[in-house]
Order: sequence, then structure tokens, then C-alpha cells
Amino acid sequence: SQTIHQWPATLVQPVGSPLSLECTVEGTSNPNLYWYRQAAGRGLQLLFYSVGIGQISSEVPQNLSASRPQDRQFILSSKKLLLSDSGFYLCAWGLGRGNQETQYFGPGTRLLVL
Amino acid sequence: SQQGEEDPQALSIQEGENATMNCSYKTSINNLQWYRQNSGRGLVHLILIRSNEREKHSGRLRVTLDTSKKSSSLLITASRAADTASYFCATPYSGAGSYQLTFGKGTKLSVIP
Repeated sequence: SQTIHQWPATLVQPVGSPLSLECTVEGTSNPNLYWYRQAAGRGLQLLFYSVGIGQISSEVPQNLSASRPQDRQFILSSKKLLLSDSGFYLCAWGLGRGNQETQYFGPGTRLLVL
Repeated sequence: SQQGEEDPQALSIQEGENATMNCSYKTSINNLQWYRQNSGRGLVHLILIRSNEREKHSGRLRVTLDTSKKSSSLLITASRAADTASYFCATPYSGAGSYQLTFGKGTKLSVIP
């Protein structure tokens, strides 16, 4: 069966510090991978998605970046965090074809920038 | 861009009652999905209904889709305290060469024991 891992679970970082959040998927090959951010009590905002190694698409302009160095690894990074980067970050992988895809989410990372 | 909007934003019911949540969307869709999110956790896929389906069941869940009204509803029958969570509808949209999901802001359901 497939599983998705995210770490760390919680992170408190000062403004201006770098960020690296990691997501790994097990039990599937060449999945579509996604990074979302969820503000408190809000819906999900898609940040990045990847259809393959080294292929990253960004949905919104921001000071975050994403990389996919391996098939089942997706990393979210920042060189300098802003207060507005605080939120709940969710990684997901997609199963299915085209617009029939179902997404499966990791447990999330809660980031607080102070 | 956000397509689905859930209604109500929050719902509080007694255990054993039925809970109904609605989702409206703007453009034509091929399918619509419902997800659940427990507090502080990731989302869990519940059910997918295709545009040529009007109703779908999964355990205590019943989903309807009315493409003429661009709306869907999620009914949870005989609710339990464990059903307390936020519920999101999601619809696909076409991005750069692939499809992504857009999620609504969710309905926060509280089931009181």
C-alpha cells in the first residue's frame, strides 16, 4: 500500500531564516506530487505541483520554491522566511488519470514564523 | 482559482442526526470529490462522483450531484462524534498540461455526543 510522509510535523522559525520541508511517498512510481498551504480555518492553496523528476510548476508567485530530486521525494524550500509564510503545509500525491485523479495527503507540517 | 464553495461554513448537530453539506461550483466539471480533514491532520479522500452520476453511496455517506444547478451535497447519516471534522469539496481544473484540484473553504462539522 502507498504511504506519504512529511517532516517535520511542527516547525518554529525566525523571520529571515531558511526553510526545508520534505515529503516522501512509498509504494507508487512516478506519482504527481503537490504542495499546498492552508491558512487557519481556510481552504487549500496549491503552491507547486510536479509530474516528474525535475518538473515543477508554480501556481502562485511567492518566496517559496520546490524541488523534486527523486521520483518520490518533493521538497519545499525558502531562502528567507516571511511572517506570511506561517501556515499548515500539506503534501499530496495523485492517483488516477487526468481529471479523474484522487489525491492522498500527508499529515502536514505546521510552520510558525516569528 | 477557487471554484467550489461549501455551505454552511459551520454545522453543529447531535450524535445520531443527519448532517448535510452543500457545495456549489462555477464551471462545468467532469467530476467532483469530497474530502474530510480532522483537526490538524491531512485531508482524506471520501468519494468521487462523476458528472454522469446523480447519486453515490459509501457506507453512511450519500453524495448527490446536480450539474444543471452546479451543486453537490454530502449527507452523513446517523452521525457520530468521530465524524467531527471539516469537509471539503474539490473539482478538477486544467493547468499547464495537467489537471489540478481546487478546494473550497470547507464546512466545519461538530457532532455533539
